[in-house]
Amino acid sequence: GAGVSQSPSNKVTEKGKDVELRCDPISGHTALYWYRQSLGQGLEFLIYFQGNSAPDKSGLPSDRFSAERTGGSVSTLTIQRTQQEDSAVYLCASSLVGTGFKETQYFGPGTRLLVL
Amino acid sequence: AQTVTQSQPEMSVQEAETVTLSCTYDTSENNYYLFWYKQPPSRQMILVIRQEAYKQQNATENRFSVNFQKAAKSFSLKISDSQLGDTAMYFCASLLSGAGSYQLTFGKGTKLSVIP
Repeated sequence: GAGVSQSPSNKVTEKGKDVELRCDPISGHTALYWYRQSLGQGLEFLIYFQGNSAPDKSGLPSDRFSAERTGGSVSTLTIQRTQQEDSAVYLCASSLVGTGFKETQYFGPGTRLLVL
Repeated sequence: AQTVTQSQPEMSVQEAETVTLSCTYDTSENNYYLFWYKQPPSRQMILVIRQEAYKQQNATENRFSVNFQKAAKSFSLKISDSQLGDTAMYFCASLLSGAGSYQLTFGKGTKLSVIP
């Protein structure tokens, strides 16, 4: 596709429910990133994929968070047993590879998650 | 670890005037990259301009230019001939250049309002 796409655009859920957020990177981009943007914390890195592998999961806030990527393309971020503090905008980005200047990260429009 | 500081939470500028957004960063590395991203109300993070730390020449993109002062670890963004469409949050970000470096570190952002 022309850009990074994310779905859903907005998600409202009840505390304790599981949610899945989807990211479709730019075609051909091998690296994919998830960030979280919240009012109090700014933009924080969550996880990075190179192909289908996630070399670094240290940014995930808790074991309720998990992510996977299949076919070197689409990625899903899953939050189990959601809590109110999970409310935020979840941004996905992709780049050609994972390092270097040429591999600028291009962002999707984000998913706004509200946990009631 | 890297840190990025944007000391101006909010700024405003008259249409057609020039405005400068400040950014300072802290890193012990010699090679890195710096970025300015724009986030309008649509939430889409849009790359505005980027700079390689080893290049002394300041980057420019049409009405956008940077003043990169490596010794002072300063990376300010100048917007000339401000337009209403420039109203957005602006984020300064850094990225190390080494292998395995993939995580953008963002500042807290500056909310820019262009006044007609």
